[in-house]
Amino acid sequence: EADIYQTPRYLVIGTGKKITLECSQTMGHDKMYWYQQDPGMELHLIHYSYGVNSTEKGDLSSESTVSRIRTEHFPLTLESARPSHTSQYLCASSNTGEAQPQHFGDGTRLSIL
Amino acid sequence: AQSVTQLDSQVPVFEEAPVELRCNYSSSVSVYLFWYVQYPNQGLQLLLKYLSGSTLVKGINGFEAEFNKSQTSFHLRKPSVHISDTAEYFCAVGRGATNKLIFGTGTLLAVQP
Repeated sequence: EADIYQTPRYLVIGTGKKITLECSQTMGHDKMYWYQQDPGMELHLIHYSYGVNSTEKGDLSSESTVSRIRTEHFPLTLESARPSHTSQYLCASSNTGEAQPQHFGDGTRLSIL
Repeated sequence: AQSVTQLDSQVPVFEEAPVELRCNYSSSVSVYLFWYVQYPNQGLQLLLKYLSGSTLVKGINGFEAEFNKSQTSFHLRKPSVHISDTAEYFCAVGRGATNKLIFGTGTLLAVQP
């Protein structure tokens, strides 16, 4: 059973709309991550959070923003969606400590028309 | 800088045959390594991890991997595959206490009857 939840699973929306992708985890993990994954490609880290009120950009530049007001919640927002934002977005979390594995949600597949 | 290379983008294999998925990494520091599996329309699920100790690591679903420091490899093996093993497999290397991961480009294991 999943302890990390992403909604919506699929979203098709027009250009220029504001979008928020939700991610919640019930494991009490301090660290959370957002990845972008295109078909047949590796995952690219776009946002990372150490804990509440602590976020930083990942390796891949992204026009999205994130917030971490509560430990369990790590939403990602696109202020004005464009077709180039079409991708799969995966959220993950991990416990504090070295070599802790990341736990992934099922992802949101986003299509911008 | 750390990196991960998965040389095989796709590995076709017949059911009940053995399989090896190759992963090579580069790192100037001690690493920890993971294998994840991604089934269609799902997030990533941890198969196994290597931190230290025995170089042969056993994971879920009958998979195992061997860490080879001299060859900087962490190949994944299964002695007899099933149709249900058809999925994308990602190798990843961890970076320090942040638990950030660098992923390979993935290998699609296609099991045929």
